[in-house]
Amino acid sequence: GAVVSQHPSWVICKSGTSVKIECRSLDFQATTMFWYRQFPKQSLMLMATSNEGSKATYEQGVEKDKFLINHASLTLSTLTVTSAHPEDSSFYICSAAGGGGKLFFGSGTQLSVL
Amino acid sequence: DQQVKQNSPSLSVQEGRISILNCDYTNSMFDYFLWYKKYPAEGPTFLISISSIKDKNEDGRFTVFLNKSAKHLSLHIVPSQPGDSAVYFCAASAGAGGTSYGKLTFGQGTILTVHP
Repeated sequence: GAVVSQHPSWVICKSGTSVKIECRSLDFQATTMFWYRQFPKQSLMLMATSNEGSKATYEQGVEKDKFLINHASLTLSTLTVTSAHPEDSSFYICSAAGGGGKLFFGSGTQLSVL
Repeated sequence: DQQVKQNSPSLSVQEGRISILNCDYTNSMFDYFLWYKKYPAEGPTFLISISSIKDKNEDGRFTVFLNKSAKHLSLHIVPSQPGDSAVYFCAASAGAGGTSYGKLTFGQGTILTVHP
């Protein structure tokens, strides 16, 4: 089946630094990818929709200047958490829309900001 | 505001018995519902879905029931197997089709443990 690769799987960083998370569709082209995050004991929440070759669309309450999304190719979307703070510590996961509208998820990235 | 709720954080079932996972939603605009299964250190994988025009969809051991009037759906697994032990998420979408399909609202998940 379709595979979405996400890395790193976990990252620890100091407050104020930036962290980049990559999401790749390995065996299909994805014009649209989605970024979710999940805080402890909460559900996955959609952050933004990443569109190849155009600007991402962000959900209400998500700061576009803090969470930079780049979808420069049909197989790669990146999420950069800029100037990370402890409250950004969360589980981030991407998904890509494959054929028939099915979604395929990456394995997620656990971000811990000290 | 939690639009999709899975009120049972965990469920424990004996192998061979039926597992029933429940999900409630509040947004009447939702018209497509999905169940995902997630193993540790892996991303969620699609399990089964149902459109709001149906009240039941079956795929092998997995059946999803939708009660629109109650805004409730459930996933039945029968017979349950130890390999079914995972976290199960229900998710909902409004205006299914196209890229709106990816704008899913998830429940918090239910940890299913199937004992041998």
